[in-house]
Amino acid sequence: DAGITQSPRHKVTETGTPVTLRCHQTENHRYMYWYRQDPGHGLRLIHYSYGVKDTDKGEVSDGYSVSRSKTEDFLLTLESATSSQTSVYFCAISESLMEAEQYFGPGTRLTVT
Amino acid sequence: GENVGLHLPTLSVQEGDNSIINCAYSNSASDYFIWYKQESGKGPQFIIDIRSNMDKRQGQRVTVLLNKTVKHLSLQIAATQPGDSAVYFCAENLRGGGNKLTFGTGTQLKVEL
Repeated sequence: DAGITQSPRHKVTETGTPVTLRCHQTENHRYMYWYRQDPGHGLRLIHYSYGVKDTDKGEVSDGYSVSRSKTEDFLLTLESATSSQTSVYFCAISESLMEAEQYFGPGTRLTVT
Repeated sequence: GENVGLHLPTLSVQEGDNSIINCAYSNSASDYFIWYKQESGKGPQFIIDIRSNMDKRQGQRVTVLLNKTVKHLSLQIAATQPGDSAVYFCAENLRGGGNKLTFGTGTQLKVEL
């Protein structure tokens, strides 16, 4: 998985609670991404980062926030989890912004009850 | 696995046969395309990429063809093996849009012995 780890790998939480997912890379890549994957949908971009403290929204950013205080770590926070946020979350990294493949982590399965 | 949708197209092939997986992309301004493989319970894995100034690119046992006229991408896998069983999906990158890939929903490849 190209030096990318995600934690936790599985989590069950209750509606209304905050949840933070962590992505850690050892590749020193500048760009990091958070996606969610749901049946019937392709991977959908939540937020991405183009450097330390530099982040931007993706197509499904409502209800999520991110932070990147170090090159190697990118955190995704669900401020108040809802059942619609039950999904598999993937982190990805890439070396450059244009025309570069993204490498994915192993994923985190989140269930909101 | 979590990457399989209820209505995911399925391609079944015999071991040793060639596989062709198709993808229609949405934006004529897309200039970079990637094929990913995703095994059950794992993150997507990069297979091969192609830029819009090319119409064919070959890798190890895989070939990607790009037809910009009809916005169509295909992945050919030669001598398909049981280990090729997975979900395959394409991703497109919009020119000038940064490395924000748009992913298709995928095709399930099943290799029969």
